[in-house]
Amino acid sequence: NAGVTQTPKFRILKIGQSMTLQCAQDMNHNYMYWYRQDPGMGLKLIYYSVGAGITDKGEVPNGYNVSRSTTEDFPLRLELAAPSQTSVYFCASTKTGTSNTEAFFGQGTRLTVV
Amino acid sequence: GQNIDQPTEMTATEGAIVQINCTYQTSGFNGLFWYQQHAGEAPTFLSYNVLDGLEEKGRFSSFLSRSKGYSYLLLKELQMKDSASYLCAVRDLSGSARQLTFGSGTQLTVLP
Repeated sequence: NAGVTQTPKFRILKIGQSMTLQCAQDMNHNYMYWYRQDPGMGLKLIYYSVGAGITDKGEVPNGYNVSRSTTEDFPLRLELAAPSQTSVYFCASTKTGTSNTEAFFGQGTRLTVV
Repeated sequence: GQNIDQPTEMTATEGAIVQINCTYQTSGFNGLFWYQQHAGEAPTFLSYNVLDGLEEKGRFSSFLSRSKGYSYLLLKELQMKDSASYLCAVRDLSGSARQLTFGSGTQLTVLP
């Protein structure tokens, strides 16, 4: 199994541009998450989804949008990119939301907004 | 909401033992995880605790006290490859979903 796959690995955007960060998992996991990690910091939850067709805001959702049309895919959309969105973005998935299910992470997308 | 605290940095010597502490405040505690993250890489799962006590897994052990809102990760026989950031994460059942909230991580440097 490939696990959680994120694309692209690196991207440079100009202020005001938009882009979609792709995330796909092949483990039939119901829960998927998007986090951002600023240098020297922990992960902050942007959006999450508990299943296809269901999404909800996390701790830092402003400036982002998500969709979950299938169980496998959970793209993150940035509209009108801002320098404050320069960060490393991680997608993760868990089988369920119960306590003992570990999260599997993608390899991250390093985004720079200039 | 949740509040998770862990030291920012720690340094230890190869072959030694190091303990990384994590304290948390949460209204709907439902498990605590430790993840390891090497520079430039994704976090990888190390351990999970939901009941009080010690969970041992090879060189790594994790302890939980729910009444104190406290956990630690114990690393024995340190190796150079253990140099990494160690993230404490708490699952919280309050709110509309079982969110996993991460601390800021403890950067461990293992010296020869």
